[in-house]
Amino acid sequence: NAGVTQTPKFQVLKTGQSMTLQCAQDMNHEYMSWYRQDPGMGLRLIHYSVGAGITDQGEVPNGYNVSRSTTEDFPLRLLSAAPSQTSVYFCASSPTTQETQYFGPGTRLLVL
Amino acid sequence: GQNIDQPTEMTATEGAIVQINCTYQTSGFNGLFWYQQHAGEAPTFLSYNVLDGLEEKGRFSSFLSRSKGYSYLLLKELQMKDSASYLCAVRGRRGSYIPTFGRGTSLIVHP
Repeated sequence: NAGVTQTPKFQVLKTGQSMTLQCAQDMNHEYMSWYRQDPGMGLRLIHYSVGAGITDQGEVPNGYNVSRSTTEDFPLRLLSAAPSQTSVYFCASSPTTQETQYFGPGTRLLVL
Repeated sequence: GQNIDQPTEMTATEGAIVQINCTYQTSGFNGLFWYQQHAGEAPTFLSYNVLDGLEEKGRFSSFLSRSKGYSYLLLKELQMKDSASYLCAVRGRRGSYIPTFGRGTSLIVHP
């Protein structure tokens, strides 16, 4: 099993550009989520999904969209990048809500 | 809402014992997690408490008191590789039970 994979590892964007951060898991987990991590702020939930076709907003959803067309994939889209979205983004999955989450290696995003 | 507090930074000596505290206020309670995160890496699971008491796993133990909204992570026989951030995450009863994370405690172990 590859576990949770994220691409790209690093990305530099200009303000106003759009892009998609990819996340995939091969563990057949129902629950997937996206977090951003900023210095001194901890992990903050952006969006999450409890299964294919179902998504919901987390604590900081503005400026981001998600979709969950398959169990395996949970891409995060930045619609119009802003410098405030400079951060490290982690994708996570878990088999149920009662179990721990497994995190991907992260995507480091710099918006100029 | 949920409010989770942890110390920002702690230092300790190799071979010693350190206790990292976490206090929380949540809308209901459905479990508390501890994760370890080395610099530049993803968080990895350490422990899970849902009932009061102490859970021991090798050099690491985690304690929970639901009535006090309090948990601690105890690290024994500290090693240099234990230098990392330790994240407390609490799952409430709202929505899909996705846990909320505290800001993390940066532990520095020195010789």
